[in-house]
Formats: sequence, structure tokens, C-alpha cells
Amino acid sequence: GDSVTQMEGPVTLSEEAFLTINCTYTATGYPSLFWYVQYPGEGLQLLLKATKADDKGSNKGFEATYRKETTSFHLEKGSVQVSDSAVYFCALSRGSQGNLIFGKGTKLSVKP
Amino acid sequence: EPEVTQTPSHQVTQMGQEVILRCVPISNHLYFYWYRQILGQKVEFLVSFYNNEISEKSEIFDDQFSVERPDGSNFTLKIRSTKLEDSAMYFCASSEMGQGMEGYTFGSGTRLTVV
Repeated sequence: GDSVTQMEGPVTLSEEAFLTINCTYTATGYPSLFWYVQYPGEGLQLLLKATKADDKGSNKGFEATYRKETTSFHLEKGSVQVSDSAVYFCALSRGSQGNLIFGKGTKLSVKP
Repeated sequence: EPEVTQTPSHQVTQMGQEVILRCVPISNHLYFYWYRQILGQKVEFLVSFYNNEISEKSEIFDDQFSVERPDGSNFTLKIRSTKLEDSAMYFCASSEMGQGMEGYTFGSGTRLTVV
């Protein structure tokens, strides 16, 4: 069945460091891909999305490119801030059903 | 910005008791969902709801679970007889179009602890 695999956390970085969180997926057809973020004590928030191959989603300095050839959707940010400390979830959705399949989440801690 | 509101934020219950988790979706949204996350594990789909009926449910959503939209604003998840393994964070979500392509708006979750 469909699945999402994320790199294990936690990830600890210094402020202004470069961030990559790896995400790969297994799915039939052409899923839509998402990154959600969960700040401490809050719900899941949609960070960015891509709906077809080679699309790049971006938001708040974060980017991810839908790579069909490598079935990947890695999250990147050039310079992280302390306020980016959160848990990041990669997810996919197929077709009109819309149900999300999530990865396990990666906790990011950014130190000043 | 419109929010999905969940109450309570934390619920502790004894095994075998019934619990009702409450959600107020965004007012113009038509599609509603429950997901859960057992500590340290993946966020898992439970059920989707549209037009006053369940549109899809996962194998987790057995006869112990039910959902209801009792009025125009609330969307509830009931667990009839809780088990220890029901302990998890439960997230409600809603969407306008019912399409996973656009993503959902999630609530901040209810942490259910069964003792």
C-alpha cells in the first residue's frame, strides 16, 4: 500500500544553518505531496504542497520539489531560525478520496 | 484566520468508559475528518464525513467508534468502551472542497489518556 518514509529525528541545528529533511514515498498513480508542521502545543498546519511531478512547493522560506524519478519530496530551508523549531510531517494524498498518509514526523530543534 | 477548535485539549478516562471528543470545524467547510497519532507513531486516518454520513473509514475505525454532527457546528468522535491502546492524540480536520490535493485545516488535537 501507499506509504511515506521520513528521516528519523530529532534534528538539532544552529540558527542560520541549512536544513534538509528527507521524505520518500511509495504510491500508485500520481499522489499529491505535502509538508505539515506542528509547533509545540498546536495543531498540524499545512506548510507547502505539490500536486504533480517537478512542482516546487514553497512557503516561509521552505521549499520541496516533487521528484517522481526518485519518489522524493525533501524539505529544505537555506537558513533556519529558532522559531522553526517544530515537528515536520511529510504526507501524500491520492486522487479524490483525499485521505492523507503521513510519515512519522521529524522533530527539528534550532538553537540560537 | 479561521480555525478548527477541539475540546478538551486533554482527557483522562478509565478503561471501559465512553468518551466523546468534540470539534468545531471551519464554518463553510463541508468535509470533516478524524485522525489519530499514538505517541511516537504515525498520524493515521480514522474516518471522513460528508453530507451527514461517513464517506470512508479505516480499519482502525471499528464498532467502538462513531461520529456525529449533532448540530450545524459540532463534529464529534465517540469511543464507546475505551481500551488502553486508544490512548493517542486525536486530530479533527475540515476542508472546503474535500480534496486531499488542497490539504486540510487541522485542530490542535485532544490528547486522550486511557488508564
